[in-house]
Amino acid sequence: EIVLTQSPGTLSLSPGERATLSCRASQSVSSSYLAWYQQKPGQAPRLLIYGASSRATGIPDRFSGSGSGTDFTLTISRLEPEDFAVYYCQQYGSSVWTFGQGTKVEIK
Amino acid sequence: QVQLQESGPGLVKPSGTLSLTCAVSGGSISSSNWWSWVRQPPGKGLEWIGEIYHSGSTNYNPSLKSRVTISVDKSKNQFSLKLSSVTAADTAVYYCAREGASRGYYYMDVWGKGTTVTVSS
Repeated sequence: EIVLTQSPGTLSLSPGERATLSCRASQSVSSSYLAWYQQKPGQAPRLLIYGASSRATGIPDRFSGSGSGTDFTLTISRLEPEDFAVYYCQQYGSSVWTFGQGTKVEIK
Repeated sequence: QVQLQESGPGLVKPSGTLSLTCAVSGGSISSSNWWSWVRQPPGKGLEWIGEIYHSGSTNYNPSLKSRVTISVDKSKNQFSLKLSSVTAADTAVYYCAREGASRGYYYMDVWGKGTTVTVSS
């Protein structure tokens, strides 16, 4: 089973700043099977990025994904007030889905 | 558009069986999608439980496999989760989700709102 480790655990930033979130896999992951989600308190996760770098429908272009192999990154170019939330990476492989433990982006 | 709605008892006794249903509306469960269950213990991260295809094919999280059964009811356009021998550690918000698989990409693009299940006597 592939383990995803996200860092940092918490990111304290101000609106307008750039956020860089990391997701590292314990073994190589197909980019096609790497996704990112946003979750706000009391809400279900929301798909942001699939295929490591493709934005889901309706996702603003300030969100971007990159990476390959074992290292993937979610970047929020300029934080808006509504972007403060928890972000999870996810991968699918060998008929098993796994999630990272999440990165909380909080207001500084 | 497709919407998912979880339902089931909010309280289950220890050693009992947790049973939830996910109703699919705005689309067919017999489409070319797999359907998943994901849970989130209070204050913790997301854990995948298992998935099912309309044919009845399933895959489960190895850590839960011995206790999980996921089934599909095409006539009712819904799928279900059973988790046996529950303990307090199974207390969580349970989500159902649709797996998208477009052009070889894999992701979960539609989620239910989630239902809270507490294991307690």
